[in-house]
Amino acid sequence: LAKTTQPISMDSYEGQEVNITCSHNNIATNDYITWYQQFPSQGPRFIIQGYKTKVTNEVASLFIPADRKSSTLSLPRVSLSDTAVYYCLVVYSGAGSYQLTFGKGTKLSVIP
Amino acid sequence: GAVVSQHPSWVICKSGTSVKIECRSLDFQATTMFWYRQFPKQSLMLMATSNEGSKATYEQGVEKDKFLINHASLTLSTLTVTSAHPEDSSFYICSARDPISLAGEGRNEQFFGPGTRLTVL
Repeated sequence: LAKTTQPISMDSYEGQEVNITCSHNNIATNDYITWYQQFPSQGPRFIIQGYKTKVTNEVASLFIPADRKSSTLSLPRVSLSDTAVYYCLVVYSGAGSYQLTFGKGTKLSVIP
Repeated sequence: GAVVSQHPSWVICKSGTSVKIECRSLDFQATTMFWYRQFPKQSLMLMATSNEGSKATYEQGVEKDKFLINHASLTLSTLTVTSAHPEDSSFYICSARDPISLAGEGRNEQFFGPGTRLTVL
């Protein structure tokens, strides 16, 4: 299984763009890169998923370079409500198997 | 998106009792569900993979006789913590995948339940 490495914590002011980079050096061909957000005492919430290049949805963008050994979650104009722990995960799906392992997460603190 | 519910949201029990936690996929059928445990200020740790109609697959170090998993239908998986002890106090979270809705889109997102807080006295 691929393992992920991401910063333990980050601080940002409201209204700024936040970029959280995750490394996954041993990512495999069948692996997808997924990001989740978790608030205290709640289940993780799906943010975005990608396989390569760039993916954008209504809440975030995900940048994945060609070698796929890292990825960057971009949150535009963060607000106080974005204070949470963000998990980068590499999801293996193939040959009838589906595996997901959570990394340690990045605690984002948005400052007024 | 797909919705996963858990019941109960929180439970307090005496040491030695058994506690059952339910995980339901409300608007889709989930052939596979996952059970996680999360201690304070730590990441989620996968405990087991629950497959409908077959035995669960447990991660290394997780006692299958203590954490009983039953996946009797495509929308329900249960986790029973048997003879609970204070060290079993944790936040238990389930998740499920909706393979039908994701077919053809190349996506593999999981949908998580809201979690169950277990406190064993």
